[in-house]
Amino acid sequence: AQSVTQLDSHVSVSEGTPVLLRCNYSSSYSPSLFWYVQHPNKGLQLLLKYTSAATLVKGINGFEAEFKKSETSFHLTKPSAHMSDAAEYFCVVSDLGRYSSASKIIFGSGTRLSIRP
Amino acid sequence: EAGVAQSPRYKIIEKRQSVAFWCNPISGHATLYWYQQILGQGPKLLIQFQNNGVVDDSQLPKDRFSAERLKGVDSTLKIQPAKLEDSAVYLCASSLARGLGNTEAFFGQGTRLTVV
Repeated sequence: AQSVTQLDSHVSVSEGTPVLLRCNYSSSYSPSLFWYVQHPNKGLQLLLKYTSAATLVKGINGFEAEFKKSETSFHLTKPSAHMSDAAEYFCVVSDLGRYSSASKIIFGSGTRLSIRP
Repeated sequence: EAGVAQSPRYKIIEKRQSVAFWCNPISGHATLYWYQQILGQGPKLLIQFQNNGVVDDSQLPKDRFSAERLKGVDSTLKIQPAKLEDSAVYLCASSLARGLGNTEAFFGQGTRLTVV
């Protein structure tokens, strides 16, 4: 069975400093992995996705993530935080799971990112 | 390309009343998902359809929740009777997955339900 663990419920960084949001996953098959962002009272927006191509994935707004199979991790990073990055971030795993006809998509519990001026 | 459409955007009901949510997925998407997102938590999968068949409803509280996807396109999610703990955002998503494995899911804006 798949599962996703986001290791930090809240991360606070200063504007202009690096961001690291940690995610570990468990999957019985070859997973796809995603990061979504959710701003207050807004819908979910896809930041980036890994689907078995390059292990270092670049997304929108300067975010990137590296798939490390040996560590079962998919951490999200950004070199320099901006005030507009303040939001909730979700790590998501998708694989065939038990039902081979459709992907099952499981969310982590989320990490709230705060940016200090 | 039109996105996933959901209605209504907001709903306030009293406990023990019934409520229904509607979702229109992206055209051609075979897989449709309903998620429940309680404030401060990640979305929890309630039910997943592949075309008009249910492939996973293991976390759907079947004594009060029901969902259908007639004709494999639009879907409705119903709660009857509602409880206070059902207050949440209900998200609909769709994806192309047709046995090819892993594809991106596209999410609607959600319906925010408040039960008082």
